[in-house]
Amino acid sequence: DAGVIQSPRHEVTEMGQEVTLRCKPISGHDYLFWYRQTMMRGLELLIYFNNNVPIDDSGMPEDRFSAKMPNASFSTLKIQPSEPRDSAVYFCASSLSDGGAHEQYFGPGTRLTVT
Amino acid sequence: QKEVEQNSGPLSVPEGAIASLNCTYSDRGSQSFFWYRQYSGKSPELIMFIYSNGDKEDGRFTAQLNKASQYVSLLIRDSQPSDSATYLCAVNNAGKSTFGDGTTLTVKP
Repeated sequence: DAGVIQSPRHEVTEMGQEVTLRCKPISGHDYLFWYRQTMMRGLELLIYFNNNVPIDDSGMPEDRFSAKMPNASFSTLKIQPSEPRDSAVYFCASSLSDGGAHEQYFGPGTRLTVT
Repeated sequence: QKEVEQNSGPLSVPEGAIASLNCTYSDRGSQSFFWYRQYSGKSPELIMFIYSNGDKEDGRFTAQLNKASQYVSLLIRDSQPSDSATYLCAVNNAGKSTFGDGTTLTVKP
């Protein structure tokens, strides 16, 4: 299995620009999570989906952030307009609800720098 | 109070020693508990999970869970320099995981 795939791995953009991060979960997994990690705030859950439906977006910092999951194998996280304080590593993770522990598997992350 | 709290660290142990990492959580509805290892510049990697009270062993790693005390721990026996990383505790309730801030472990040769 290829694991969770994220793109791009690095993104440098100027304040005010739109940024789109992409994620392909592990095939067969029915949960998908978007996290943000910074030194100051640690690993924060932004939003998660179950069977492509957003379940909890209470971690999305503000309306500039939006996420979609049009099908079981693809999700996007969009920031428009971007700000320097959005600079962080964004991780996507997926898990399977098979009656087990719901262990999550993380992608390699996208390092976003907003100048 | 944070939902998941870990030793503030950093923790330093000599090679071959036992490293003990601790975690407490506030949500009594939590059903499963995880330890992730994160090397600098990398993504979190699952190393163990536990959902029953007691101990679970996997090689040099032992996870311990006490739901009454809302406490999870990870013991690393015969610590190696390659174990140097940040260890994240996570607790899961109905599919959603909440992570602690992590404890940074350094194993000195």
